[in-house]
Amino acid sequence: NAGVTQTPKFRILKIGQSMTLQCTQDMNHNYMYWYRQDPGMGLKLIYYSVGAGITDKGEVPNGYNVSRSTTEDFPLRLELAAPSQTSVYFCASGMTGSNEQFFGPGTRLTVL
Amino acid sequence: AQSVTQPDIHITVSEGASLELRCNYSYGATPYLFWYVQSPGQGLQLLLKYFSGDTLVQGIKGFEAEFKRSQSSFNLRKPSVHWSDAAEYFCAVGANNAGNMLTFGGGTRLMVKP
Repeated sequence: NAGVTQTPKFRILKIGQSMTLQCTQDMNHNYMYWYRQDPGMGLKLIYYSVGAGITDKGEVPNGYNVSRSTTEDFPLRLELAAPSQTSVYFCASGMTGSNEQFFGPGTRLTVL
Repeated sequence: AQSVTQPDIHITVSEGASLELRCNYSYGATPYLFWYVQSPGQGLQLLLKYFSGDTLVQGIKGFEAEFKRSQSSFNLRKPSVHWSDAAEYFCAVGANNAGNMLTFGGGTRLMVKP
C-alpha cells in the first residue's frame, strides 16, 4: 500500500494563478481531509469529505474548492492564488468511527 | 467544541535525557487523543493513541503517554531521547460524535543537544 500520496511536492505560483493539489489514498477510507500548516499554528482544516460526492467546509475554506468523485481521490483547487495561501498543505484519510487519520507527505506552496 | 493546548512551543533536551511534552485538551466527554510526530519536510506520523481503557498508552519509537482525566492532560514521555527524535510533535483530540474530526494543538518543536 502506498497510503496517502500527494502531488506536487513543491510549487511556486504567481498571484492570481490557479492550480490543483492532488491527493490519492489506496486504503479504501471513506473520510478524506485537507489541512494547511502555518508555522506555530498547527494544522487547520480546509475541507473534508465523508465519501464520494459529499464534501463540507472546515475551519478555513475561503479561497479553496474540493471535489470527491471517487473514494480514492480528493483534489484541492486554488482558483485565484493569493500570498496568504503560501503554506504547507496536507491531505489525510481515515475510517469511519476511529478518528485516526493517515497523512500524506505534504505539498509546499509559495505564492509570489 | 474541543480544543488542544501545547504550552511549550520549543523544547531542547540533551541526548539521553528524559522528555515530557505537555498537552491539555478541552472536551466535555471522554475524548479520543493522539500524538503525531513530524520530521522536517515530512508528513505526520502517528506515535500513539488513546480511545479507552488503560490510561497509560505505549507507542512507537519508545514513546508513551498518560491520559489524566482530572487534569485534562495527555502528556507524551520518553525515558531517553535520541538525536533522531528531533522533530515537531502534535497533540490532537477527536470526539466520538464529531464525524472523525481532529483538532490539533499548535505543536512543540523538540531539539536534541549532543
